[in-house]
Amino acid sequence: NAGVTQTPKFQVLKTGQSMTLQCAQDMNHEYMSWYRQDPGMGLRLIHYSVGAGITDQGEVPNGYNVSRSTTEDFPLRLLSAAPSQTSVYFCASSRNRGYEQYFGPGTRLTVT
Amino acid sequence: QKEVEQDPGPLSVPEGAIVSLNCTYSNSAFQYFMWYRQYSRKGPELLMYTYSSGNKEDGRFTAQVDKSSKYISLFIRDSQPSDSATYLCAMSENTGNQFYFGTGTSLTVIP
Repeated sequence: NAGVTQTPKFQVLKTGQSMTLQCAQDMNHEYMSWYRQDPGMGLRLIHYSVGAGITDQGEVPNGYNVSRSTTEDFPLRLLSAAPSQTSVYFCASSRNRGYEQYFGPGTRLTVT
Repeated sequence: QKEVEQDPGPLSVPEGAIVSLNCTYSNSAFQYFMWYRQYSRKGPELLMYTYSSGNKEDGRFTAQVDKSSKYISLFIRDSQPSDSATYLCAMSENTGNQFYFGTGTSLTVIP
């Protein structure tokens, strides 16, 4: 099993550009989530999904969209990038709700 | 006020020491409590997972939850240099859908 994979590993965007961060898991997990990690703020939940076709907002959803068309994939879309979205983004998945989440390696995003 | 408070450290201990890491929280509805370990430039990995109050032990690691004080702890016995990492606490209400993380405590174990 590859576990949770994220692409790209690094990305630099200009303000106003859009992009999609990819996340995939091969463990047949129903629950998937996206977090951002900033110094002094810890991990904060952006969006989560409890199964294909079902998504919901977390603590900091503004400026981000998600969809879940398959069990395996959970992409995160930045609609119009802003410098405040400079962060490290982690995707995670879990068999049962958010317990025992497996995290991906992260995407380091810089918005200039 | 943040949902979860965690002393960022850094914490530096000699090899073999007992380490105590702590988090406090404000939401009395939290029922699930977790500890993650994160090495530099990696994703977090789950260490321990407890439900409600009480203790849980796994090898050199012990997790304690005191819901009356809204306080959780992680103890590491016989600490090793490989334990050097950032430790994150996380917690959730009964639904288990939204988890709130502490900011992490940076630990260095000196050989």
